Amino acid sequence: DTGVSQDPRHKITKRGQNVTFRCDPISEHNRLYWYRQTLGQGPEFLTYFQNEAQLEKSRLLSDRFSAERPKGSFSTLEIQRTEQGDSAMYLCASSSSIYRDKNTGELFFGEGSRLTVL
Amino acid sequence: GENVEQHPSTLSVQEGDSAVIKCTYSDSASNYFPWYKQELGKRPQLIIDIRSNVGEKKDQRIAVTLNKTAKHFSLHITETQPEDSAVYFCAASKSGGGSNYKLTFGKGTLLTVNP
Repeated sequence: DTGVSQDPRHKITKRGQNVTFRCDPISEHNRLYWYRQTLGQGPEFLTYFQNEAQLEKSRLLSDRFSAERPKGSFSTLEIQRTEQGDSAMYLCASSSSIYRDKNTGELFFGEGSRLTVL
Repeated sequence: GENVEQHPSTLSVQEGDSAVIKCTYSDSASNYFPWYKQELGKRPQLIIDIRSNVGEKKDQRIAVTLNKTAKHFSLHITETQPEDSAVYFCAASKSGGGSNYKLTFGKGTLLTVNP
């Protein structure tokens, strides 16, 4: 397993268009997170899945944002009617809730999907 | 909710010197404090973490200290090298008991190590 992968790495879109990002977590990880990072800031929590259940959503996640993890494996984050303020790096992370060996519950991040809204 | 403050926002040191980055947190229930290093255009990567039942942890040139009473924790890098140059983020979360390990991050410190 090569780690958390995200697609696409870069997306440029016009205001008002819909975009979708995909995240493939580390295969044995049951927890999946989406974060948003803007320039000069730390990652901000958006939402969290345990298996296929979306257990928490941030107030940052407006009605235009929706995330799914239909089979408890990969996840998608869709942004509808994009606005210029949505321009950011969208980071996905995964972790395991099962403590064995040296597993500490560490979050492993993907390289991110950079969104630019014109 | 949790709030994490991080200082300084930028730090420039000479190669071989030590660097210290400090963070404070607001939620006394937080018990897990990782530090992530992010190089330009790369993913954040965990470099060290500490749990609230420990006051200090070291890993080669990197150490983290935690003061639960004052709700602050610090990252110490000794004998800095140019490859240590990156943005460092502290974070806090609650772990165990069914919590979700949701991390609240500080705003980051840009560390520059000058050769």
